[in-house]
This record gives sequence, C-alpha cells and structure tokens, in this order.
Amino acid sequence: DAKTTQPNSMESNEEEPVHLPCNHSTISGTDYIHWYRQLPSQGPEYVIHGLTSNVNNRMASLAIAEDRKSSTLILHRATLRDAAVYYCILSIEGGQNFVFGPGTRLSVLP
Amino acid sequence: GAVVSQHPSRVICKSGTSVKIECRSLDFQATTMFWYRQFPKQSLMLMATSNEGSKATYEQGVEKDKFLINHASLTLSTLTVTSAHPEDSSFYICSARLLRGLSYEQYFGPGTRLTVT
Repeated sequence: DAKTTQPNSMESNEEEPVHLPCNHSTISGTDYIHWYRQLPSQGPEYVIHGLTSNVNNRMASLAIAEDRKSSTLILHRATLRDAAVYYCILSIEGGQNFVFGPGTRLSVLP
Repeated sequence: GAVVSQHPSRVICKSGTSVKIECRSLDFQATTMFWYRQFPKQSLMLMATSNEGSKATYEQGVEKDKFLINHASLTLSTLTVTSAHPEDSSFYICSARLLRGLSYEQYFGPGTRLTVT
C-alpha cells in the first residue's frame, strides 16, 4: 500500500476552519484517498473519501491536489467534538485492507 | 446505514483462558471483514482479513492458532483469543467492507477492550 505522511499534531480554535494536510507522493492511479477519525476508546469513524475531484459531505470537505500527491481535509467550523486522531489512508480500487499511519492528533481549543 | 457492532465492548479474563469477540454488520452484508489491534498511544495494526466461507488471511507475525477467526455468515465474524496472556491485552477493532458505487468503504466497530490478568 502507498504511504501517507501527516503532521503528528495540530491545534485549532473552536468555530474556526481546520485544514489537515496529507502527503501521498507515491499514490497510484487507482488509489482512493480515505479519511477516518478516531475518538479515544472508539473505533475509527468514516469521514470522507475521494479519487480525483474535490468532495463535500455533511462532515467535511476533501481537497485533492491536481497531481494527487497531496490532499487536505477541511473541517469548516471546528467544534470540541472534532478533537480526535485523523487518519489519511490510501486504498486500491479493490478495497484492500487499510494501512493506518500514526495520523494527526487534532486538539480544539475553546 | 453501514453500522458495525462488536460484542463485548470490554472483557477481563484470566491468563490461560480463551475469549471470543463478535463483529456484526447490522444493516449490510460483508463478504470481507478485517480485524485490527491497537495498543495504547499507537495506531491500528491489521491482524487478519476475514473472508466469508473461507479461511482468514493473517498478517505476518500474527499467530493463526492463537487468534482464531471464523466468518460463518455475511454479517458475522468472530475472533477468539486462545490461551490469552497479559501481553494480549489490547483494543481489538473490526471493520466490514462495503461496496458503494465504484469504490469500497470500510466501517469500523466500536472496539473491544481486552484485559488479561
């Protein structure tokens, strides 16, 4: 599986937008970009995923670079409940198992 | 939709005993489920891929005779930790794969905290 790199931690103020970056320079043409988040003592929660075009859903937006070597998860207004570890994962089209990196620990300050 | 449950949510067992953890996809059928393990302050590590009606595929370093996986139906996979030892204490998480459109999504269970005394 192609690797991703993310900052270890980030901080945001409540009600401000948050941009979580992810680099995946070895991504292949069939790799989808997935974002999950994990709250303490819970299983990972699906956030969003995409292939080439930017994606929006009720939780977040995913901006994918034109060369697909990086992507950014955008939380439009951070809340205290968004404090979690965010994982950026690549999976091939066949949906093979995910390889989890260390992720980005997001802290949201009131 | 796309809910995955696990049972139990936490279990404490004595060293040498066996523990079974269930993973269910509640509102969809999953031919493939995955089992992960997560130690404190670490990321998830894949243990095995569970395929309905066939043998599980284990990751390197995971003992298949110690971690028995059964995927007898399209909505249920079980992980049995046999002869558990304190070093098996961990957070065990399952996921189920769902095909949506042209791509697969994975939905994770809430996890099972195993403590071996």
